Amino acid sequence: DAKTTQPPSMDCAEGRAANLPCNHSTISGNEYVYWYRQIHSQGPQYIIHGLKNNETNEMASLIITEDRKSSTLILPHATLRDTAVYYCIVRPMNTNAGKSTFGDGTTLTVKP
Amino acid sequence: DSGVTQTPKHLITATGQRVTLRCSPRSGDLSVYWYQQSLDQGLQFLIQYYNGEERAKGNILERFSAQQFPDLHSELNLSSLELGDSALYFCASSPVGGSEKLFFGSGTQLSVL
Repeated sequence: DAKTTQPPSMDCAEGRAANLPCNHSTISGNEYVYWYRQIHSQGPQYIIHGLKNNETNEMASLIITEDRKSSTLILPHATLRDTAVYYCIVRPMNTNAGKSTFGDGTTLTVKP
Repeated sequence: DSGVTQTPKHLITATGQRVTLRCSPRSGDLSVYWYQQSLDQGLQFLIQYYNGEERAKGNILERFSAQQFPDLHSELNLSSLELGDSALYFCASSPVGGSEKLFFGSGTQLSVL
């Protein structure tokens, strides 16, 4: 699995956009970028995933650079409930998701 | 609510004992995954089952074992427990055995005293 690098922590003001970066410079052509988050020891929650095109859903947007070596998760209007650990994972689409290596993630703190 | 049910939510036991953690996947999901998360640590993949068969194995200790039953629920058995086994144990499910997105349960907090 491609290794990902994320900043250990970030702060964001409530109501502002939170931009969480992830570096995955060794990503292969058939590997997807997935984002999950974990709120205070709850079970991790799927947010979004993408291959090379930018993706948007009701939770967030995912921007993947043209060379696919990095991506950014965007929470457009962060709320206090978005305070969590955010994990970026790179996985081939045709292998077992169970071996997804979650790493240390980024602890996002949304402040009033 | 992810649709994945784990029981019990909390479990306190002593060293040397054996416990069983239970997981019911989302309706229709065939794959079940088990993860361990120690205090301030990341999620460590333990094992995956797909439709009753072991599909992938991670850093699971020999003292730990799992199985998936015909009704697709899964159990994780931890034996000869040590203090270091204290952790959050998560179960996740996905529709197929490939790299589909995972849906996690709320976890079982195991405390070994």
